[in-house]
Amino acid sequence: GAGVSQSPSNKVTEKGKDVELRCDPISGHTALYWYRQSLGQGLEFLIYFQGNSAPDKSGLPSDRFSAERTGGSVSTLTIQRTQQEDSAVYLCASSLQFGRYSGYTFGSGTRLTVV
Amino acid sequence: AQTVTQSQPEMSVQEAETVTLSCTYDTSESNYYLFWYKQPPSRQMILVIRQEAYKQQNATENRFSVNFQKAAKSFSLKISDSQLGDTAMYFCAFMITQGGSEKLVFGKGTKLTVNP
Repeated sequence: GAGVSQSPSNKVTEKGKDVELRCDPISGHTALYWYRQSLGQGLEFLIYFQGNSAPDKSGLPSDRFSAERTGGSVSTLTIQRTQQEDSAVYLCASSLQFGRYSGYTFGSGTRLTVV
Repeated sequence: AQTVTQSQPEMSVQEAETVTLSCTYDTSESNYYLFWYKQPPSRQMILVIRQEAYKQQNATENRFSVNFQKAAKSFSLKISDSQLGDTAMYFCAFMITQGGSEKLVFGKGTKLTVNP
């Protein structure tokens, strides 16, 4: 597609439920990133995928968070047993190989609200 | 610790005037990359300008320019001839590259309002 697509745009879930957030990167972009933006805060790195290499999961805040990228394209971020502190905007981005040279293209994010 | 500090939570400027947003950072790396991103209400982060730390020349993109002071670890953004469409949150960030991975470290942002 022309841009990075994220779905759903908004998600309200009950505490304790599992949620899946989807990211469809720009075609041909080998690098994919997930960031979290809590209210009034900057973005916090979660995970980085690059081609077929093992992902950098160092930013995942707990073992309730996991992500996968299938076929080097679409990525899914899964949060199990959601907590109220998980409420945030989850942003996905992609880049051609390395974002350091061209910056990232971000999607419009998924706003997650845990009630 | 790798940190980014934006000391101005909010700023306002009149249309057509010039405004400068401040950013300082802390890193022990010698080569890194610096970015300014704009986030309008649509939530999408839009790249405004990028600077490579080993380049002394300040980056410029149309009405946007930076003042990069490596020794002082300062990376301010100047917006000339401000337009109403410049109203947004602005985030300063630098990129860490480690072992084949890379990640952006962001400041908390500056909310810029351009007044007519």
